[in-house]
Amino acid sequence: AQSVTQLDSQVPVFEEAPVELRCNYSSSVSVYLFWYVQYPNQGLQLLLKYLSGSTLVKGINGFEAEFNKSQTSFHLRKPSVHISDTAEYFCAVIPPGGYQKVTFGTGTKLQVIP
Amino acid sequence: EAQVTQNPRYLITVTGKKLTVTCSQNMNHEYMSWYRQDPGLGLRQIYYSMNVEVTDKGDVPEGYKVSRKEKRNFPLILESPSPNQTSLYFCASSLWSPTQGTQYFGPGTRLLVL
Repeated sequence: AQSVTQLDSQVPVFEEAPVELRCNYSSSVSVYLFWYVQYPNQGLQLLLKYLSGSTLVKGINGFEAEFNKSQTSFHLRKPSVHISDTAEYFCAVIPPGGYQKVTFGTGTKLQVIP
Repeated sequence: EAQVTQNPRYLITVTGKKLTVTCSQNMNHEYMSWYRQDPGLGLRQIYYSMNVEVTDKGDVPEGYKVSRKEKRNFPLILESPSPNQTSLYFCASSLWSPTQGTQYFGPGTRLLVL
């Protein structure tokens, strides 16, 4: 079994400030790690993913995440946020078996304050 | 354009009145799934399908049915909706594994059961 924890349900941050959204997971096997973004009244869009290789993953819109196996974390970061980054962000883990066993976190709402 | 479509986008119904939410994809994906999104709970998988005529339960299948008679379509059926099925529903499609490609999400169907 696997689980995902997003400890912060809401994160307010001023425009142009850096932000980190935290994601921790537990799993008895190696997993693939994802971050999705959901803009208001829209579906989910893939931000970035870690499958293997370099632990620092760069995604769209200036976001990046670092896979830390020892701390079982996959935190999402952006050095300078924009108003347009206001959205809900979901971390997800997928085992090697594929998408049928995906587990999502409970989401973090990022509120960018002008 | 690669896309997953869902209909209807918004639906208000009453307890016990059967309804169907349609989902269609144009990417020839084998794998399709349904999720529900509730505040504070993230996305939870209802049912998934590995291919035509192959479906299986996800984490929250009670009260739902699905069918996969054609590769492109994966309707979600609520035979006797109840108020606790009020939620935001997403359909998704992909190849089987993240190593093969991205999971695409539909725009969502917001359901209110009175």
